[in-house]
Amino acid sequence: QQQVKQSPQSLIVQKGGISIINCAYENTAFDYFPWYQQFPGKGPALLIAIRPDVSEKKEGRFTISFNKSAKQFSLHIMDSQPGDSATYFCAASSGFKTIFGAGTRLFVKA
Amino acid sequence: GAVVSQHPSRVICKSGTSVKIECRSLDFQATTMFWYRQFPKQSLMLMATSNEGSKATYEQGVEKDKFLINHASLTLSTLTVTSAHPEDSSFYICSARDFSNEQFFGPGTRLTVL
Repeated sequence: QQQVKQSPQSLIVQKGGISIINCAYENTAFDYFPWYQQFPGKGPALLIAIRPDVSEKKEGRFTISFNKSAKQFSLHIMDSQPGDSATYFCAASSGFKTIFGAGTRLFVKA
Repeated sequence: GAVVSQHPSRVICKSGTSVKIECRSLDFQATTMFWYRQFPKQSLMLMATSNEGSKATYEQGVEKDKFLINHASLTLSTLTVTSAHPEDSSFYICSARDFSNEQFFGPGTRLTVL
């Protein structure tokens, strides 16, 4: 019930391509779904977040798609750049509890 | 965005000593602060949740006597690893939640116990 399943575990994308990372949750009490970007040796940084009352949110090259009925959400990175190479974590939050996905290591080839 | 700092960024200590890590919210007041532990190439593991002026709530399996958390003010929380051993070596990350429930992470502290 508390799990957030994230896939794929790793992803290699050509420069300029689209990176897609998927997450699924079970607990319908979650009401906030952030994505974090983490570089090696650094703390995670909030990238973009969505609440379940909208199906899509776009900020620059980053888009979250949210499917409430399927209990799934995904991150799309358009025009992927080598500088986007990092580990991405999805999360689901309810009240004081935030559950993180296992992470996706993205490598963008130049 | 809001800024959370951690100090020190790296610490090396001898087995049996205690280490204190500070977490500060620099430009906002944090209603709640969280402490995570992260092993290489793994996700964040929540250790404990702390609210200002009250005792921390520890996750199952986390020794409260070993990982002492103090949340003295709305901008400062500390984690003390007592009698550290090599298996406590890890990357410790704090985060702070503001009044809008956004959660911001610190840069992390790399602890190495020899």
